[in-house]
Amino acid sequence: EADIYQTPRYLVIGTGKKITLECSQTMGHDKMYWYQQDPGMELHLIHYSYGVNSTEKGDLSSESTVSRIRTEHFPLTLESARPSHTSQYLCASSDWTGRNEQYFGPGTRLTVT
Amino acid sequence: AQKVTQAQTEISVVEKEDVTLDCVYETRDTTYYLFWYKQPPSGELVFLIRRNSFDEQNEISGRYSWNFQKSTSSFNFTITASQVVDSAVYFCALSESGAGSYQLTFGKGTKLSVIP
Repeated sequence: EADIYQTPRYLVIGTGKKITLECSQTMGHDKMYWYQQDPGMELHLIHYSYGVNSTEKGDLSSESTVSRIRTEHFPLTLESARPSHTSQYLCASSDWTGRNEQYFGPGTRLTVT
Repeated sequence: AQKVTQAQTEISVVEKEDVTLDCVYETRDTTYYLFWYKQPPSGELVFLIRRNSFDEQNEISGRYSWNFQKSTSSFNFTITASQVVDSAVYFCALSESGAGSYQLTFGKGTKLSVIP
């Protein structure tokens, strides 16, 4: 069973607010990922990290930023939320090889009003 | 570039029917990995299976089975005697070793509805 956590599960926030979506894993995985998924739609990789102090942008351009100061923690920040940021955000992790499956957290459903 | 195609957007079946979800992939790598994930209405993605490109043996796990055919670049997923709890969106994904990244590329998903 995967041990990857995301908070909050649901968030409704007004335009212009700064928000941070939390993601933590207890599996000691080096690689972590953030995906954005609109309801009923495909997943798009927006950020990933190979390890501490490593962050890369994914295939889908995003106005969010990430940090990786600790192995187990990979938060995502939106400096100024907009309605276009309304979506589900999924965090995942995998071991150092990256060949193996990614384990996903429960997701954060973000609504920006 | 890698690509995963799930041509079936939505499928509806009556409980106890068998159903096959199709997945076709494209890759230039000789070493790659294929995955199936299940996403129930709760939203979390649940890992179901991983296959590597060197192992074409079919796999069965309970009511689930997977057919991997390199000749047709397909990795199809069959649920036997479907149940209401199988209702979910199912994603096929590909990971290739290009640049050592092993990033996952997902298909657009197939929404399966099992009607009681």
